[in-house]
Amino acid sequence: KAGVTQTPRYLIKTRGQQVTLSCSPISGHRSVSWYQQTPGQGLQFLFEYFSETQRNKGNFPGRFSGRQFSNSRSEMNVSTLELGDSALYLCASAPGSGGPTDTQYFGPGTRLTVL
Amino acid sequence: GNSVTQMEGPVTLSEEAFLTINCTYTATGYPSLFWYVQYPGEGLQLLLKATKADDKGSNKGFEATYRKETTSFHLEKGSVQVSDSAVYFCALSKAGGTSYGKLTFGQGTILTVHP
Repeated sequence: KAGVTQTPRYLIKTRGQQVTLSCSPISGHRSVSWYQQTPGQGLQFLFEYFSETQRNKGNFPGRFSGRQFSNSRSEMNVSTLELGDSALYLCASAPGSGGPTDTQYFGPGTRLTVL
Repeated sequence: GNSVTQMEGPVTLSEEAFLTINCTYTATGYPSLFWYVQYPGEGLQLLLKATKADDKGSNKGFEATYRKETTSFHLEKGSVQVSDSAVYFCALSKAGGTSYGKLTFGQGTILTVHP
């Protein structure tokens, strides 16, 4: 089975621009979560989608948004980029109902650099 | 709120040495506990997990036991290899409410193993 894939792998943007990142979960997984990883803040949860519905959201400003499509693929969007948005953005998918005991499988991440 | 605390790193060991990475958590109820590993330039891989008290997770020679009384989930390996060099993350997921898809991570521990 193919793993979680994320595109693009690397991205360079300038302040004020917007960006869209894509995630394709493992086949059959309907739960998709997004995380931001930075050296200073570590790994922080952004949001989770299940069957096209956002079920949970972390403590990030409204500039960060996401969506999920009927095939479970997910996108996240960051508008009006700031320097502090530079990070590795990780997507993870989970089997079943995506509950607390279900393992999350991570993709390789998208490295976003904001200049 | 929920939190995970890992021992300060980095940890440097010689090949075949014994490894312990401490992890303690704060959460109400019975969270599920995970250890993930991240190799350079990659996403996170599940190493092991435990979903209830006194469970022992094990994989590739690594072990961790869910200790409710000490709120701990310490990672151990009897004999490390150079290939174990990576960053290790302890994480929890809490059941119920709006916690879907949310893993709370520790700050990560960098492990370097020398030949």
